[in-house]
Amino acid sequence: NAGVTQTPKFQVLKTGQSMTLQCAQDMNHEYMSWYRQDPGMGLRLIHYSVGAGITDQGEVPNGYNVSRSTTEDFPLRLLSAAPSQTSVYFCASRRGAYNSPLHFGNGTRLTVT
Amino acid sequence: KQEVTQIPAALSVPEGENLVLNCSFTDSAIYNLQWFRQDPGKGLTSLLLIQSSQREQTSGRLNASLDKSSGRSTLYIAASQPGDSATYLCAASGSRLTFGEGTQLTVNP
Repeated sequence: NAGVTQTPKFQVLKTGQSMTLQCAQDMNHEYMSWYRQDPGMGLRLIHYSVGAGITDQGEVPNGYNVSRSTTEDFPLRLLSAAPSQTSVYFCASRRGAYNSPLHFGNGTRLTVT
Repeated sequence: KQEVTQIPAALSVPEGENLVLNCSFTDSAIYNLQWFRQDPGKGLTSLLLIQSSQREQTSGRLNASLDKSSGRSTLYIAASQPGDSATYLCAASGSRLTFGEGTQLTVNP
């Protein structure tokens, strides 16, 4: 069972570069989301999607874009990387209902220099 | 705005001990309360989900309770083992899922 797959595992960017973090799930989950995890700040929601073609902003959306063209994929784009975006990024998915557990990928550790 | 607090931030116990991890939340209007485990360098793994209408959930040596009126949840781990060493996070599900910062548990052989 693949579950939620994130690539790459590690990435180093220079300030101003752009990149896309990939996330794919094979559980046919309607809901997908992106979090960043920082020491002292916990997990914070960046963007989420409740189905293909539908996305919405979370708590810290600035500097990030998302799209959801298929049920399986939910890529996160950094438009112009900044050192403040150095973090560990997690993709998570669940069935549509609120009362379903959230399934996480193993994360992407991003460093912006 | 929902705030979730977990105390203590770190806990070290000898193998075999029963232990309780605490989670408190400020807004009782939640759909559920979830407990997760995070191993170093890994994502979060869902352990237990307690619906707002439930008082507790059990899975093996784990038991989670929920008291919405007091804004508290506890995770009870029975007969702890070194393999239980990890960070345990709770999350309150309201309009959004709000996470605590976790309790880092070390179980010493």
